[in-house]
Amino acid sequence: GNSVTQMEGPVTLSEEAFLTINCTYTATGYPSLFWYVQYPGEGLQLLLKATKADDKGSNKGFEATYRKETTSFHLEKGSVQVSDSAVYFCALSDQTGANNLFFGTGTRLTVIP
Amino acid sequence: EAEVAQSPRYKITEKSQAVAFWCDPISGHATLYWYRQILGQGPELLVQFQDESVVDDSQLPKDRFSAERLKGVDSTLKIQPAELGDSAMYLCASSFGEVNNEQFFGPGTRLTVL
Repeated sequence: GNSVTQMEGPVTLSEEAFLTINCTYTATGYPSLFWYVQYPGEGLQLLLKATKADDKGSNKGFEATYRKETTSFHLEKGSVQVSDSAVYFCALSDQTGANNLFFGTGTRLTVIP
Repeated sequence: EAEVAQSPRYKITEKSQAVAFWCDPISGHATLYWYRQILGQGPELLVQFQDESVVDDSQLPKDRFSAERLKGVDSTLKIQPAELGDSAMYLCASSFGEVNNEQFFGPGTRLTVL
């Protein structure tokens, strides 16, 4: 079946620190992989995505590379800001079926000045 | 910028009462999803519509939950009767098509059952 396992939080970093949030997946087919972000009081927003192996998704300074050999899609940012404080969800979509998303449990990031 | 609209944003109800949530997807989006997000967990799909037809409702507790999208545009999710374990955030999302299309999420309805 399809599942996503991501690093448990919460994660607290100082401004300008390096961020890594680990994500690994199990899928029956060849999934697309996503990172969604949920800011306080708001809905989920797509942060970045990758649709095939070795693709790198990037947006707003965040990056993640689709690693089929390690079934991973770790999220990284070189220098976090206070405004990056949010909950981050890793997700996959199994392309063999409908466009259903399977989410991890989320990682709460707090960036302190 | 087009957005998915949901109402109400917050709902408090007592167990055994009926509740309903409304979602208006982005114009032109044929596919609509309802997710439930329990505190501290990721969203889980409850039901998926393609136009007015249900594509997947395998995770919908059909003894108490119902969903409809009569004209293939807006949608209503109902719970009757509500139970304490239904307390969660209910998220609606829409996408242009069914396969490999980005899902856009609404702000959600936070339900508290007392």
